[in-house]
Amino acid sequence: GQQVMQIPQYQHVQEGEDFTTYCNSSTTLSNIQWYKQRPGGHPVFLIQLVKSGEVKKQKRLTFQFGEAKKNSSLHITATQTTDVGTYFCAGPGGGADGLTFGKGTHLIIQP
Amino acid sequence: GAGVSQSPSNKVTEKGKDVELRCDPISGHTALYWYRQSLGQGLEFLIYFQGNSAPDKSGLPSDRFSAERTGGSVSTLTIQRTQQEDSAVYLCASSHPLYEQYFGPGTRLTVT
Repeated sequence: GQQVMQIPQYQHVQEGEDFTTYCNSSTTLSNIQWYKQRPGGHPVFLIQLVKSGEVKKQKRLTFQFGEAKKNSSLHITATQTTDVGTYFCAGPGGGADGLTFGKGTHLIIQP
Repeated sequence: GAGVSQSPSNKVTEKGKDVELRCDPISGHTALYWYRQSLGQGLEFLIYFQGNSAPDKSGLPSDRFSAERTGGSVSTLTIQRTQQEDSAVYLCASSHPLYEQYFGPGTRLTVT
């Protein structure tokens, strides 16, 4: 089945530094979604990208969808302690209309 | 409005016992999903319900796992003869088909 690979698995940054996580698929994705899971919490939807080369911004977060629709990235500028958590990308494939999640990138911020 | 709710929030059971986990989706969401998340790991798809269609059971890890959804709303995930490797957080999500998924708080299952 389709797999979505996500790197890095863990990322330690100093507060104020930037952070990027990458998501790659071996097949073309019709869309990609990003979720954030705070420690002890449940995944919360952040955004969906659909178009080739699409770039969307949410305050300090920038999401990109590759031209070939096989990769995506999430970039956080000037991280804050509230950004701590695990960021998952997800593409179609878990069930007929479900999602296949990457293993996530754990963001750890040192004050 | 109310989000996805799950019960119980925590369940400790002895190896070999059966457990039932419940999910109440957001009203009006026709799609319902069950996932399993082991400590520090990603989300493993288990099963998917959409309206009155036959469920997609392709992610269930063994025949000890089953799920049903009554009246297109509440869903129950049943694990028979639990094993220690079943210990995980079981997450339920609901959505309109092909839209973003809303997750419940999960049930933390510990098999001793």
